[in-house]
Amino acid sequence: DGGITQSPKYLFRKEGQNVTLSCEQNLNHDAMYWYRQDPGQGLRLIYYSQIVNDFQKGDIAEGYSVSREKKESFPLTVTSAQKNPTAFYLCASRGRGNQPQHFGDGTRLSIL
Amino acid sequence: GENVEQHPSTLSVQEGDSAVIKCTYSDSASNYFPWYKQELGKRPQLIIDIRSNVGEKKDQRIAVTLNKTAKHFSLHITETQPEDSAVYFCAASMRGSSNTGKLIFGQGTTLQVKP
Repeated sequence: DGGITQSPKYLFRKEGQNVTLSCEQNLNHDAMYWYRQDPGQGLRLIYYSQIVNDFQKGDIAEGYSVSREKKESFPLTVTSAQKNPTAFYLCASRGRGNQPQHFGDGTRLSIL
Repeated sequence: GENVEQHPSTLSVQEGDSAVIKCTYSDSASNYFPWYKQELGKRPQLIIDIRSNVGEKKDQRIAVTLNKTAKHFSLHITETQPEDSAVYFCAASMRGSSNTGKLIFGQGTTLQVKP
């Protein structure tokens, strides 16, 4: 899993501010995913992308946006419209065929 | 909609005992079932997975069983050790996920192994 890098590790957001979480992978994986994890809960899918310049909404996309301009990068923006952004955000990627998802180390986002 | 239920939510065992975590899924089209282990504040790590064309898979002290008819799958850890203490998540592939790779995750089980 060392090929998936998320930054920063910790992030603080002020009211009304947009913040962007970085996810980079050097595994040559086509598919990338963003999940949100709240305490005591499972992982919920925010957005996913199967190829460059294409992405789809997951189960909880409201208040979030993404881009996929490069195969290696899938940044997530938490917009001011997301009223409860405090959570642990995990990025994952997957190779072609029937391969498992592998995760980055996560970014913990809090509100100031 | 598609759903994965995981039980129990917490499990405490004595070192050396076995631990079993069970999941049920709703979508009969699910054909891939991974299990992840997540230590506190760390990334989930894949520990074992199973596909629908087999009923059981083992890897040292870890095994997974799948009952497609009942739509159940279970994680079995034998000879538990304190370092097995973590949160374990099951997941099931979603309909059409052969291309997307989308997974539905269970709510997680916190396993505590007492020395």
